[in-house]
Amino acid sequence: GAGVSQTPSNKVTEKGKYVELRCDPISGHTALYWYRQSLGQGPEFLIYFQGTGAADDSGLPNDRFFAVRPEGSVSTLKIQRTERGDSAVYLCASSLYGTANTGELFFGEGSRLTVL
Amino acid sequence: DAKTTQPPSMDCAEGRAANLPCNHSTISGNEYVYWYRQIHSQGPQYIIHGLKNNETNEMASLIITEDRKSSTLILPHATLRDTAVYYCIVRVAFGSARQLTFGSGTQLTVLP
Repeated sequence: GAGVSQTPSNKVTEKGKYVELRCDPISGHTALYWYRQSLGQGPEFLIYFQGTGAADDSGLPNDRFFAVRPEGSVSTLKIQRTERGDSAVYLCASSLYGTANTGELFFGEGSRLTVL
Repeated sequence: DAKTTQPPSMDCAEGRAANLPCNHSTISGNEYVYWYRQIHSQGPQYIIHGLKNNETNEMASLIITEDRKSSTLILPHATLRDTAVYYCIVRVAFGSARQLTFGSGTQLTVLP
């Protein structure tokens, strides 16, 4: 389809392991966002990219979290030394930028991460 | 971005109008009101946004008070598929790609 695609949809890992979550935005969308959502809470902002560069990474909780978008399209969220508290649904969204940006973000279905 | 206040939960009978309130008393002149919803196990979905005039689209209507300190999202004929968490968000728009800041939202349950 033409929507935002996230893989994997589910990931179970052990405490201390490294995890990568992938987001494939809508074609032509220059802005890409990562959010994290814990059970019963609203999505929490992590980072957003404008093109290849991180325009705002103020939401990343600590240096174990890192995200890249090397070619301005697909993005990967990387989590090192995972902790049980990292268990959540990680949501990716994309949007147009500039005068076409009406503030409408298109979200993917999310990647559910469970750290045992 | 200005903060918003929403009731944690609401019920609505199927086929009736669902009116979801939102307070945003500290909204600035250049901030828009956005509404998103999140159906269980899905990502949030954009519904509608507005600045000061009432807005309507195929999904809903947005009524913003004249002083812009509050708004109401109206789903004119709620169906069971409208059961979701509804988020009211205030943000500067147009030319800004800044992120949306989500609160806890209102859990709307449409009852048969």
